[in-house]
Amino acid sequence: AQKVTQAQTEISVVEKEDVTLDCVYETRDTTYYLFWYKQPPSGELVFLIRRNSFDEQNEISGRYSWNFQKSTSSFNFTITASQVVDSAVYFCALSEPGFQKLVFGTGTRLLVSP
Amino acid sequence: DTAVSQTPKYLVTQMGNDKSIKCEQNLGHDTMYWYKQDSKKFLKIMFSYNNKELIINETVPNRFSPKSPDKAHLNLHINSLELGDSAVYFCASSLSFGGGTEAFFGQGTRLTVV
Repeated sequence: AQKVTQAQTEISVVEKEDVTLDCVYETRDTTYYLFWYKQPPSGELVFLIRRNSFDEQNEISGRYSWNFQKSTSSFNFTITASQVVDSAVYFCALSEPGFQKLVFGTGTRLLVSP
Repeated sequence: DTAVSQTPKYLVTQMGNDKSIKCEQNLGHDTMYWYKQDSKKFLKIMFSYNNKELIINETVPNRFSPKSPDKAHLNLHINSLELGDSAVYFCASSLSFGGGTEAFFGQGTRLTVV
């Protein structure tokens, strides 16, 4: 069964702090895909990254970085030097070939205060 | 030019009414979806369509009927609205069927049933 767990319900940081959002997934398949989405207060869902199960390389995009570890079934997201504009709900999601749907975690609300 | 657009953005209606939400994508994608986000922000797949064909119906009540007149459109009609239908409904699209491509979401339709 597919499952995504985001144990951190809400995280509060002060601007310029680094913050890591945790994501743990469960799947029986050896091929799968992991995603992160951002939902700012305006409500839309913004795609951030896709990672397939064969690519364990970490990725960095500006202040964002992702750490994928198959050994611990985790796909964590770090924001470096957080900014107020990073305040949002962040969702981790999983999909498998043949199951054309995203299974989302419950989301982590990040509050960045000035 | 908006990639995935859905209308209306807000919908307030009385119990028992029938309403529709429209969705259009201009990305040339083959696969479209409806997701429901409840009051706790939990996101769950409702329907998935590939090339106008229904692929996934995730145990959604019969009162919900999606219709895909062509690859670029996926509308959602809801009959006999109930209080529990109040939620944000997101339309999304992805390039292909198979789980490996990211989904792009519309801005959401906030449905309030009173």
